[in-house]
Amino acid sequence: DVKVTQSSRYLVKRTGEKVFLECVQDMDHENMFWYRQDPGLGLRLIYFSYDVKMKEKGDIPEGYSVSREKKERFSLILESASTNQTSMYLCATGDPYEQYFGPGTRLTVT
Amino acid sequence: QKEVEQDPGPLSVPEGAIVSLNCTYSNSAFQYFMWYRQYSRKGPELLMYTYSSGNKEDGRFTAQVDKSSKYISLFIRDSQPSDSATYLCAMRQGGSYIPTFGRGTSLIVHP
Repeated sequence: DVKVTQSSRYLVKRTGEKVFLECVQDMDHENMFWYRQDPGLGLRLIYFSYDVKMKEKGDIPEGYSVSREKKERFSLILESASTNQTSMYLCATGDPYEQYFGPGTRLTVT
Repeated sequence: QKEVEQDPGPLSVPEGAIVSLNCTYSNSAFQYFMWYRQYSRKGPELLMYTYSSGNKEDGRFTAQVDKSSKYISLFIRDSQPSDSATYLCAMRQGGSYIPTFGRGTSLIVHP
């Protein structure tokens, strides 16, 4: 069974803080993805990575950056959190085509 | 027009009913079609994965793809309250790692 874990289920941060969301997978998948999910807007791709130290922008990369130093770990960074980044953040891996999602992190920025 | 259209619902049905969930799309290059189920406050889980046109059955679930009409469906037979969730369709082009998701349909199966 593929296991994708995310560092926190719920997170509350203040405006301007630097926020790190971590994702770890145990299946040796090359591809990893970060999405955000908002009511009425569905899943939107922020960044993805197809190899260690490789990253590509998705549809909404503004305000975010990522880091992939090891194959199993993909981090999403909010450089300076803003209230419009309050959302559900979902990490996924791909083997390479089927995507497997983590449980999500509900981030609230106040 | 969005590439993938999906009615958000909610769709409310009695237990035991046959459920039909649908998506339409505009990009004729899509070749692979997926259905995900997402329970409240959880991540989506892959339910069905089909290539090109035709039907695929897995237990109570049947996925149907009609590429000529750019229309895909997920049928759930003998629906159960435990099927209550949001169902997301997704599709991608051959060779692409990135699927395009529908916004999801909320399904409620009441006892």
